[in-house]
Amino acid sequence: QSALTQPASVSGSPGQSITISCTGTSSDVGGFNYVSWYQQHPGKAPKLMIYDVNNRPSGVSDRFSGSKSGNTASLTISGLQAEDEADYYCSSYTSGSKLGCVFGGGTKLTVL
Amino acid sequence: EVQLVQSGAEVKKPGESLKISCQVSGYSFSNYWIGWVRQMPGKGLEWMGIIYPGDFDTRYSPSFLAQVTISADRSITTAYLQWSSLKASDTAMYYCARHGNGRRGVDSWGQGTLVTVSS
Repeated sequence: QSALTQPASVSGSPGQSITISCTGTSSDVGGFNYVSWYQQHPGKAPKLMIYDVNNRPSGVSDRFSGSKSGNTASLTISGLQAEDEADYYCSSYTSGSKLGCVFGGGTKLTVL
Repeated sequence: EVQLVQSGAEVKKPGESLKISCQVSGYSFSNYWIGWVRQMPGKGLEWMGIIYPGDFDTRYSPSFLAQVTISADRSITTAYLQWSSLKASDTAMYYCARHGNGRRGVDSWGQGTLVTVSS
């Protein structure tokens, strides 16, 4: 099962907004509303930031939002802060694997 | 509160066996898929396999089939990842992760277990 496609890196200045894309197929991102996004700081476990395309778990800042159009999901971070610098991974339910879940390759966010 | 607590870091030699664990609390262990994710140094997240403790249904990623064994013990709400013969290329961080309800993705993660395989 191929990973979902994410840009290797994105960057932005404090206060700006950035968007990270996650492209799949109709068997995963495009076919189901089960896209999640995770934040991972160096040496730490991933943390759930968005689930079911556009829902935030309790305690996650409303600066983080998710959306989807066709086979591409997006994570938008508004009002960038230094602490947002991390790796971000998307994942989706997939009908193409017995595991039922596939990750994106990850995106390194740099806050300039 | 859902918690997944993994066993500590391991240093092993090639050819040795290893079993790492993930003890969960705060939810019904039998009713959620739980899986293992590999992260090699400087790389992304890879699903290795998942298990449903309710009926022990176990599924592996093709890349890890026959390379590892995933199991669970309901009596102590613990999932396991096991190798019979480690290779240097197994050096990585391993995370256990709980799937949310239905088709949702992972909603809780263990803290990770670093496995180092070196002669």
